Amino acid sequence: ILNVEQSPQSLHVQEGDSTNFTCSFPSSNFYALHWYRWETAKSPEALFVMTLNGDEKKKGRISATLNTKEGYSYLYIKGSQPEDSATYLCAFFGSGNTGKLIFGQGTTLQVKP
Amino acid sequence: EAQVTQNPRYLITVTGKKLTVTCSQNMNHEYMSWYRQDPGLGLRQIYYSMNVEVTDKGDVPEGYKVSRKEKRNFPLILESPSPNQTSLYFCASSLKNSGQGYEQYFGPGTRLTVT
Repeated sequence: ILNVEQSPQSLHVQEGDSTNFTCSFPSSNFYALHWYRWETAKSPEALFVMTLNGDEKKKGRISATLNTKEGYSYLYIKGSQPEDSATYLCAFFGSGNTGKLIFGQGTTLQVKP
Repeated sequence: EAQVTQNPRYLITVTGKKLTVTCSQNMNHEYMSWYRQDPGLGLRQIYYSMNVEVTDKGDVPEGYKVSRKEKRNFPLILESPSPNQTSLYFCASSLKNSGQGYEQYFGPGTRLTVT
């Protein structure tokens, strides 16, 4: 059974703090690792899709890194703002065109003004 | 506007009464998938489809059926709903075999309650 683990489960930070989350996934049969941002009462939206070991992606204050050999990815938020409050999901897509996408349980971030 | 639509958005039904949740996308995506979201369990894949007439089970397919007769539509069928299928359901689609790594575009969600 493929397992994707995220930590921490939840995080409360002050506005301006920088923070990071971890996603652990199987280190074999890798095809892609996704990060999604999911705000309350909305649908998940893709932040990053990473396919190569060593990939680093950035969008504004948010960045992500990928290590496929050891099976982990980090998501960083620099200078958190209240509007960053959301649940952040990672998802593992295995190779072989199986089509299965395995999500972690998510990290819920609350940024206090 | 490029989008994934789901209907209905909210549904309250009774045990055993067959229902269908529709999903449609206008982006010409080959890949479509259904997920359910339950508190503490994250998103779990129910069924997915790599192309027309090709469907496969995800992690939690029991009690559900799907069909993919056309590229744009991927309905989710509950033949005999039970209370444990009360959940928030998302449909999603993506391009297949592209450099985008199957990035998922999600529909707005369907909140289903089975009493």
